[in-house]
Amino acid sequence: KAGVTQTPRYLIKTRGQQVTLSCSPISGHRSVSWYQQTPGQGLQFLFEYFSETQRNKGNFPGRFSGRQFSNSRSEMNVSTLELGDSALYLCASSLVAANTGELFFGEGSRLTVL
Amino acid sequence: AQSVAQPEDQVNVAEGNPLTVKCTYSVSGNPYLFWYVQYPNRGLQFLLKYITGDNLVKGSYGFEAEFNKSQTSFHLKKPSALVSDSALYFCAVRDDSGNTPLVFGKGTRLSVIA
Repeated sequence: KAGVTQTPRYLIKTRGQQVTLSCSPISGHRSVSWYQQTPGQGLQFLFEYFSETQRNKGNFPGRFSGRQFSNSRSEMNVSTLELGDSALYLCASSLVAANTGELFFGEGSRLTVL
Repeated sequence: AQSVAQPEDQVNVAEGNPLTVKCTYSVSGNPYLFWYVQYPNRGLQFLLKYITGDNLVKGSYGFEAEFNKSQTSFHLKKPSALVSDSALYFCAVRDDSGNTPLVFGKGTRLSVIA
């Protein structure tokens, strides 16, 4: 069974640009969560989607947005990039949302903002 | 709001010695507790979880964790450390309401020295 796939794996942008990251969950998983990982802050929760609906949103500015499609694939977008947005963005999927099951993580998209 | 504290940024242990990585949590209601491990340039891998039942939970690669409700702790342990256990370890919690995301601590870097 294929795992969670994130694309692109690495990308470099400049301040003010925007970026879109993609996540394909494990087949059959309907819940997708996004996290931002930085050395100083650990993993910070961005969004959680289930069946195309945003269930939860973390404490990030409106420049961070996301969506989920009918096939459970998800994208997140960051507009007007800032230097502080440089991070590893991790996507995770699970069968259902907010349950007792574990999340399955992709290998992440590493964003560098210059 | 739920939160996780991992009081040690770094833990060093000699190969063959027992290891402990500490985690304390705060939730409203009952906690669902998880441990994950991250190897360099990789996503997070699930190690074990506590949902209910026996306070001692056994997981992958010989790891175990003990849930202590009175101390709101969920420390990760292993009787005999291996050099290959060197990695970044994350504790995570969600409550049992069904409405909250999985919240992670900032991580503890474990270094096992031969």
